[in-house]
Amino acid sequence: AQSVTQLGSHVSVSEGALVLLRCNYSSSVPPYLFWYVQYPNQGLQLLLKYTSAATLVKGINGFEAEFKKSETSFHLTKPSAHMSDAAEYFCAVSSSGNTPLVFGKGTRLSVIA
Amino acid sequence: DVKVTQSSRYLVKRTGEKVFLECVQDMDHENMFWYRQDPGLGLRLIYFSYDVKMKEKGDIPEGYSVSREKKERFSLILESASTNQTSMYLCASSRRAGRGANVLTFGAGSRLTVL
Repeated sequence: AQSVTQLGSHVSVSEGALVLLRCNYSSSVPPYLFWYVQYPNQGLQLLLKYTSAATLVKGINGFEAEFKKSETSFHLTKPSAHMSDAAEYFCAVSSSGNTPLVFGKGTRLSVIA
Repeated sequence: DVKVTQSSRYLVKRTGEKVFLECVQDMDHENMFWYRQDPGLGLRLIYFSYDVKMKEKGDIPEGYSVSREKKERFSLILESASTNQTSMYLCASSRRAGRGANVLTFGAGSRLTVL
């Protein structure tokens, strides 16, 4: 069975500071990994995905994530936070290209001016 | 612009009512999903479908049913709504194979309140 653990339900950073959102996964097979973002009163949209190509994945809005098999992690980073990054972020895992995604509980990111 | 459309953004229903949540996608996706989202619990899968007239139970199917009579439409049904079904419901779709498989496109959500 697959699972995802997002460390920290709420992260607060200052504008311009590094953003680090943590995600650890459990999967019995090489995983497909995703980060989604949800802005207030909207559905989720894809930030980036890992599908066994490069371990460093670049996404939209300056975000990137690094797949580390030895640590079973897929942490999301952005060098410099912007006010518009305030949202909820979800990490998700799937064991194959056609099985439902399992989501983490989400991390709410606040950006302080 | 491709999208997933959920027919109702906000609904208020009474305990015991039958509730229909409709979802339509215009991307010709084979797969469709219903999740519910609750604070602190993330997204939990209710039902999914890989083809017309097919359905599979997700992690929390109790109290729900689904219908997929056409490829583009996936309906979630609450046979007898209860207060613990007050939640945000998210519909999503994805391709079955090829480029973009397993990448979910979400609707804006339907916030259901059961009184």
